[in-house]
Amino acid sequence: DTAVSQTPKYLVTQMGNDKSIKCEQNLGHDTMYWYKQDSKKFLKIMFSYNNKELIINETVPNRFSPKSPDKAHLNLHINSLELGDSAVYFCASSQGGGPTDTQYFGPGTRLTVL
Amino acid sequence: QKEVEQDPGPLSVPEGAIVSLNCTYSNSAFQYFMWYRQYSRKGPELLMYTYSSGNKEDGRFTAQVDKSSKYISLFIRDSQPSDSATYLCAMRKSNYQLIWGAGTKLIIKP
Repeated sequence: DTAVSQTPKYLVTQMGNDKSIKCEQNLGHDTMYWYKQDSKKFLKIMFSYNNKELIINETVPNRFSPKSPDKAHLNLHINSLELGDSAVYFCASSQGGGPTDTQYFGPGTRLTVL
Repeated sequence: QKEVEQDPGPLSVPEGAIVSLNCTYSNSAFQYFMWYRQYSRKGPELLMYTYSSGNKEDGRFTAQVDKSSKYISLFIRDSQPSDSATYLCAMRKSNYQLIWGAGTKLIIKP
């Protein structure tokens, strides 16, 4: 009974392709996030949704589009993949209720663009 | 200059040593400070959080915040090989958005 799950775990694709990563949480949380972690381990917030509404949208190319069909799911679609998109993408969720709010992370999706 | 600075390491110490991991920050508005641990090929998980200045202890782990110096630390006593991981500091402004350090890779040698 995984709390935050992501599929696929690994994704290898060619430049120019379009791909999607799916995320699901069974914690009943209101807020979900997408992070990008580069090769130097720096974790960068990309998007955050609260109750299916976008609340954080950092400076991310518009080739990246999040979609939240319901509170438990937040998918990430990437168009026209580039070499620089290669990274590990983490989904996370939290209750979203205050400053001590804890984020729970999924296992990550390792994206390699060739 | 990044809002949160953290030495990426790696930091390699022998088993049983006391480990000190640190972050500095520039924004005095940060009030809530967290340490996350990330094992290889896994997602980060919350280890400890502290509010404002002071110490917090949990087993072998102690988190320390010095707001006057804008400096936070995580101490690990009696370090074990299973503590080998990347440790990320994170902190919150008033709008609750987390700002992350780059992470320090820690290696505990048996």
